[in-house]
Amino acid sequence: QLQLQESGPGLVKPSETLSLTCTVSGGSISSNSYYWGWIRQPPGKGLEWIGSIYYSGSTYYNPSLKSRVTISVDTSKNQFSLKLSSVTAADTAVYYCARGGQWEPVDYWGQGTLVTVSS
Amino acid sequence: QTVVTQEPSLTVSPGGTVTLTCASSTGAVTSGYYPNWFQQKPGQAPRALIYSTSNKHSWTPDRFSGSLLGGKAALTLSGVQPEDEAEYYCLLYYGGTQVFGGGTKLTVL
Repeated sequence: QLQLQESGPGLVKPSETLSLTCTVSGGSISSNSYYWGWIRQPPGKGLEWIGSIYYSGSTYYNPSLKSRVTISVDTSKNQFSLKLSSVTAADTAVYYCARGGQWEPVDYWGQGTLVTVSS
Repeated sequence: QTVVTQEPSLTVSPGGTVTLTCASSTGAVTSGYYPNWFQQKPGQAPRALIYSTSNKHSWTPDRFSGSLLGGKAALTLSGVQPEDEAEYYCLLYYGGTQVFGGGTKLTVL
């Protein structure tokens, strides 16, 4: 059974960089040619796709976040990561990682981690 | 900016049938948008239900089905159960980017 687990600081100061890691277990991040993605959900609001990365490193980002987002993959650690720079209170959300994206099914999700942007 | 629109809320009686839809501001939704559908209950991560318009995951109950209907992606629940009360989201692919709908809150009453 594939499992994904987000990790990282729960509190980030305004103007700083949010950094999260998703650890994949129960399967290899580089097998079967999957995309891996990040999605977020502000408190009480809907889902927003942030971006996706292919196991080879190709990335696709939400145009509205593209200037601030970097997604990377570390196949040796079976992890992929999210960096979001110059954060504001509007970036406060539960951040999810998931397998899939682009034209491929989005199937397995992590449990999500709440990141609060506050001084 | 691309907008994906869902009904904000729907109510259905137990045992009934309900159809949720997902429309694109760019025009008719086709299979090339690879519609995905997700269910989310309060305090939980979303759970995948449907991919590529009508394909079910191994864990998707038979009462859930996906289709294209009148230029929109659609999710139909037949024989609704009380545990189907949840928020439902669609996700459409736009050739390099993806956009979620705003969600439909389904009440079973």
